[in-house]
Amino acid sequence: QVQLVQSGAEVKKPGASVKVSCKASGYTFTSYDINWVRQATGQGLEWMGWMNPNSGNTGYAQKFQGRVTMTRNTSISTAYMELSSLRSEDTAVYYCARVLRRDGYNWAALDYWGQGTLVTVSS
Amino acid sequence: EIVLTQSPGTLSLSPGERATLSCRASQSVSSSYLAWYQQKPGQAPRLLIYGASSRATGIPDRFSGSGSGTDFTLTISRLEPEDFAVYYCQQYGSSQYTFGQGTKLEIK
Repeated sequence: QVQLVQSGAEVKKPGASVKVSCKASGYTFTSYDINWVRQATGQGLEWMGWMNPNSGNTGYAQKFQGRVTMTRNTSISTAYMELSSLRSEDTAVYYCARVLRRDGYNWAALDYWGQGTLVTVSS
Repeated sequence: EIVLTQSPGTLSLSPGERATLSCRASQSVSSSYLAWYQQKPGQAPRLLIYGASSRATGIPDRFSGSGSGTDFTLTISRLEPEDFAVYYCQQYGSSQYTFGQGTKLEIK
């Protein structure tokens, strides 16, 4: 069965960086794009960016350009999201999610999600 | 960036009733790239609808999606107790994804 398992909760100080991992299993890791989405407490979903695990190509939301880096290690089927220059407003649950492919078509919808990683930014 | 506006912000209904949730885009969205999600407290979102009207695997047929261009709708034909949650629409275009702000469906 498809699973995305994320790394554990993090507490960081303002100005620091955080790197969250997302380990995929149950499917061919390089065949499906991975997206990252975050959610502050009581707020809506905020898209951060996507990565093609096969090519390593990425696309980031304008809001995060220059602060976010998405990478992968195909040998261990793991995607990473690193966010730098953290501020208190970055406190949120961060999710990785797989993009649905069906009938050879990329539907740009997120069909499997990780369990979420809480990142707390506090001095 | 395409902005998605969902309405209403909160919808209060009773089990057995019909729910109609709206998602309006600031510019035209490809129907292939419009999705709906359900999220319950403490859980990750769950994909309900993709391609504006196709149900994801395992989604009951009381959930249906429709619309095109800038106006999309999620309909729940007869509400079950487990359907009370927050619903988000999402679009993809020009290599960017965006989500609506959500509609909270609460028990009346």
